[in-house]
Amino acid sequence: EAQVTQNPRYLITVTGKKLTVTCSQNMNHEYMSWYRQDPGLGLRQIYYSMNVEVTDKGDVPEGYKVSRKEKRNFPLILESPSPNQTSLYFCASSSGTGAGYTFGSGTRLTVV
Amino acid sequence: GESVGLHLPTLSVQEGDNSIINCAYSNSASDYFIWYKQESGKGPQFIIDIRSNMDKRQGQRVTVLLNKTVKHLSLQIAATQPGDSAVYFCAEYGAGNNRKLIWGLGTSLAVNP
Repeated sequence: EAQVTQNPRYLITVTGKKLTVTCSQNMNHEYMSWYRQDPGLGLRQIYYSMNVEVTDKGDVPEGYKVSRKEKRNFPLILESPSPNQTSLYFCASSSGTGAGYTFGSGTRLTVV
Repeated sequence: GESVGLHLPTLSVQEGDNSIINCAYSNSASDYFIWYKQESGKGPQFIIDIRSNMDKRQGQRVTVLLNKTVKHLSLQIAATQPGDSAVYFCAEYGAGNNRKLIWGLGTSLAVNP
């Protein structure tokens, strides 16, 4: 089944403790992206990647890092999480220009 | 399930009626538009798309209309069912090559049995 897989689905952590949210897609998509979703603010792009070893900042990149060493994987790294990063996170991928996204099921992160 | 948005515009319809969800997009240079559906606790799911060289596209029970003159997009759902209850987002591809989507804030559709 074609899908984007995120892990974990739920995570509660403490301020300052580094964490990684994994994302993997099995559709051979070139383009991958991370979003956060907050009430009243909609979906905001954190980082995106147009291909292996090519990443760029989205609208809200502060406090996040990403890497794209392989085509299928696009992990999101929070080096020192803070409570304002409590949110619902989505990974998404797409094929070529003008293609719609396939989204993962989301990761609910709580930073206390 | 998780709430994906507070104070969203809400459309309430009776089961079996037709629904129309509207979206005003921001960039006159956008040339590709997509509607997504997000059910509670899930990620957004692609419904239908349309390119700017078209003004109407039909899918199964859904129709998207594009009015470039007034930068307006609508999603029509025929014979709305309880399973259609969700938040609906429109998205546009802005001018440029970074495939950056510009997202609307969403409309919540509630289907009453």
